[in-house]
Amino acid sequence: DADVTQTPRNRITKTGKRIMLECSQTKGHDRMYWYRQDPGLGLRLIYYSFDVKDINKGEISDGYSVSRQAQAKFSLSLESAIPNQTALYFCATSARDSLVEQFFGPGTRLTVL
Amino acid sequence: DQQVKQNSPSLSVQEGRISILNCDYTNSMFDYFLWYKKYPAEGPTFLISISSIKDKNEDGRFTVFLNKSAKHLSLHIVPSQPGDSAVYFCAASASGTYKYIFGTGTRLKVLA
Repeated sequence: DADVTQTPRNRITKTGKRIMLECSQTKGHDRMYWYRQDPGLGLRLIYYSFDVKDINKGEISDGYSVSRQAQAKFSLSLESAIPNQTALYFCATSARDSLVEQFFGPGTRLTVL
Repeated sequence: DQQVKQNSPSLSVQEGRISILNCDYTNSMFDYFLWYKKYPAEGPTFLISISSIKDKNEDGRFTVFLNKSAKHLSLHIVPSQPGDSAVYFCAASASGTYKYIFGTGTRLKVLA
């Protein structure tokens, strides 16, 4: 079983709709992250959380919100989706130690029409 | 302002030869660097890392070199194999931030 799972894997929605992307992990990591990938722009950090009570904005948080429901769950919401939020979204986790690698989920491909 | 740059969007190499992927950074506070490999329809997977106290780290066919004065790192793959064809991202982090800044990626194609 995958350590980091994301649902849904693919989603097509319309402008103005609210949508939630979910991430679950079984690695027991405290730290969780949401990124988006766009062609030519690499991975950009949207939000990150170091524990259930700690939520931080990343580089591109406008138009997004997050919820850390439990240590293992971190969801990303688009309150009112717009076409330029069409992208590949990745959830990642890392251990509490400094200077460690991240583990990524398989991604959610979101299309906003 | 792109703090981590991968200036080559793509690279093609013959099987068995060396692949060299490059990455430049601007923030002198970065002290930990990572390379990830990404196949289509999958998330990035960790490949190799290096901390700023070293200038080289090796793991099998993969070696990462760090030149702190030039703010440059490179990933060498020797020998390259067709299964190495993927997008490679470099990432950097500064101690205590627990955040990772990614480059834009280089698509490597290893030709059989």
